[in-house]
Amino acid sequence: SQTIHQWPATLVQPVGSPLSLECTVEGTSNPNLYWYRQAAGRGLQLLFYSVGIGQISSEVPQNLSASRPQDRQFILSSKKLLLSDSGFYLCAWIPGVGPAYGYTFGSGTRLTVV
Amino acid sequence: AQSVTQPDIHITVSEGASLELRCNYSYGATPYLFWYVQSPGQGLQLLLKYFSGDTLVQGIKGFEAEFKRSQSSFNLRKPSVHWSDAAEYFCAVGAKDSSYKLIFGSGTRLLVRP
Repeated sequence: SQTIHQWPATLVQPVGSPLSLECTVEGTSNPNLYWYRQAAGRGLQLLFYSVGIGQISSEVPQNLSASRPQDRQFILSSKKLLLSDSGFYLCAWIPGVGPAYGYTFGSGTRLTVV
Repeated sequence: AQSVTQPDIHITVSEGASLELRCNYSYGATPYLFWYVQSPGQGLQLLLKYFSGDTLVQGIKGFEAEFKRSQSSFNLRKPSVHWSDAAEYFCAVGAKDSSYKLIFGSGTRLLVRP
């Protein structure tokens, strides 16, 4: 079966510290992968997406970066966190051929920058 | 570029009353359309989706949505709301290029009066 894993579930980090959030998908090949952020009381903002290994598209200029070192692994990083990076981060995937079955979201990482 | 507008930030209805949540989109063609629900502190659950064909789509939990091309709308409805429906509802538009990137509206928070 197809599943998506995100970790950690919660994270408290000091300002200026680095960040690495990982997302992995099981049971599929060549998925499209997406990172979203939801600030407190706000909607979901698309940060990055990837249609293949090493292919990253950025939607919003910011303090974050993304990488896809393996087909089913998507990593969100920051060298130095800002207070404004706090939020709920969600990873999502669809098969590379399209969203016929909808987008599947991970359970999310709640990041608090202090 | 695609965009989604959910004009109602909050909606309060009485239990048993009918519900309609509004969604308008902007896209060069008919996009993929979705409604997701998010309970407090939780991830996203797909309620229903529209790709083509019959403009009235049925989803889970008794929800339905109607696609109206002339109005660029995809409103969500439920004939009788239950207290457990209290949550945040997001309309989303999926691109029809190889990115299939999903853009969300800002969400509508539904409150249910006993």
